[in-house]
Amino acid sequence: EVQLLESGGGLEQPGGSLRLSCAASGFTFGTFAMSWVRQAPGKGLEWVSSVSSGGDSTYYADSVQGRFTISRDNSKNTLYLQMNSLRVEDTALYYCAKVIYYASSGYSDWGQGTLVTVPS
Amino acid sequence: DIQMTQSPSSLSASEGDRVTISCRASQSIARYLNWYYQKPGKAPKLLIHTASSLQSGVPSRFSGSGSGTDFTLTITSLQAEDFATYYCQQSHSYPFTFGPGTKVDVK
Repeated sequence: EVQLLESGGGLEQPGGSLRLSCAASGFTFGTFAMSWVRQAPGKGLEWVSSVSSGGDSTYYADSVQGRFTISRDNSKNTLYLQMNSLRVEDTALYYCAKVIYYASSGYSDWGQGTLVTVPS
Repeated sequence: DIQMTQSPSSLSASEGDRVTISCRASQSIARYLNWYYQKPGKAPKLLIHTASSLQSGVPSRFSGSGSGTDFTLTITSLQAEDFATYYCQQSHSYPFTFGPGTKVDVK
């Protein structure tokens, strides 16, 4: 059974940093692209970032480009999101998600999310 | 970036109804279109991938169609557990944008 467990969220002041983690199990982590998707309170889903299976290719939403860094450690079956220069608008529940097969095949598995709050 | 729109933004329906939700991309995305549903307080769940492929374990009352820029999600006979918010997402090119969602509630 695929399991994705996010952690690292919390309350951080504007301009601060947080590092989110997503511990994966139940599948061969190093063979699947992974992504972060966020959802602001009461709002829709927003794709944030993706990383290839080997970690060599990364992609970002314009809203986080230059501030967030996605990475992965395949030896630890863990996905990361380093979030710097946090803004009020980064407040959201952050999900990690696994693709079905290849990078553009949709997200078949999601974690329960970790909440990031950046107060105004 | 590719923009995704959905219509309607919300709809009211009864159990047993046939429900159709539309999704449009701002440029051609071939068949790289996925549908998710989400209930309050829960993570999204994949229903359909690559426009019309039913995800494993998803009931056959859900179906998807379309290609290029116009896509449709159909629920043939709405069940109680289907009242939720539905999102489309393009996975043709980064950023993999989501539509704004369609909320299906009880009439």
